[in-house]
Amino acid sequence: GQQLNQSPQSMFIQEGEDVSMNCTSSSIFNTWLWYKQDPGEGPVLLIALYKAGELTSNGRLTAQFGTTRKDSFLNISASIPSDVGIYFCAGQLTNTGNQFYFGTGTSLTVIP
Amino acid sequence: DTAVSQTPKYLVTQMGNDKSIKCEQNLGHDTMYWYKQDSKKFLKIMFSYNNKELIINETVPNRFSPKSPDKAHLNLHINSLELGDSAVYFCASSQTHSGELFFGEGSRLTVL
Repeated sequence: GQQLNQSPQSMFIQEGEDVSMNCTSSSIFNTWLWYKQDPGEGPVLLIALYKAGELTSNGRLTAQFGTTRKDSFLNISASIPSDVGIYFCAGQLTNTGNQFYFGTGTSLTVIP
Repeated sequence: DTAVSQTPKYLVTQMGNDKSIKCEQNLGHDTMYWYKQDSKKFLKIMFSYNNKELIINETVPNRFSPKSPDKAHLNLHINSLELGDSAVYFCASSQTHSGELFFGEGSRLTVL
């Protein structure tokens, strides 16, 4: 299956700092999604992107669909302790039966 | 109302046993999935069903048998459980062309 490379693998930051993470693929995707997973829970959808170059915000979170359609970025501004968790990117190839491929995850720790 | 619900949340069993995990979605979606998340948190797709028909079967041992009695339900039956089957199994659903995937809370399977 498709492998999405997500970086960084983990981040330790101070409360109030901004965070950036990205996801790259060797394939062109039609949709990019960003999820957050808390311990013991399922991934929760944060932002969905549908067009190359699209920039979408959800509160302090901003994500962008890369212009090459092979990458995506997520930024979190002014981090707070509840931002702690694992963030996953996912891409969808609509010519493969609506299959969603996931990145390897970025573990975020926010130090108060 | 829980959109994607799966049971049980925890399952502890002995090697060689057979077990099932159930999933239901009330979002009216036409596609359902099973994902496996290992100890490294990789989310790997196992199966995808669209309107009760198998669409994706990603190199999964035939001890794993999904069953979709209707498009709102996708159950996972596992025969002859092995230690390596220990993981968290997530059910998810989406609507074709919507570009969004929603997860259940996961079922943590521990094989002793």
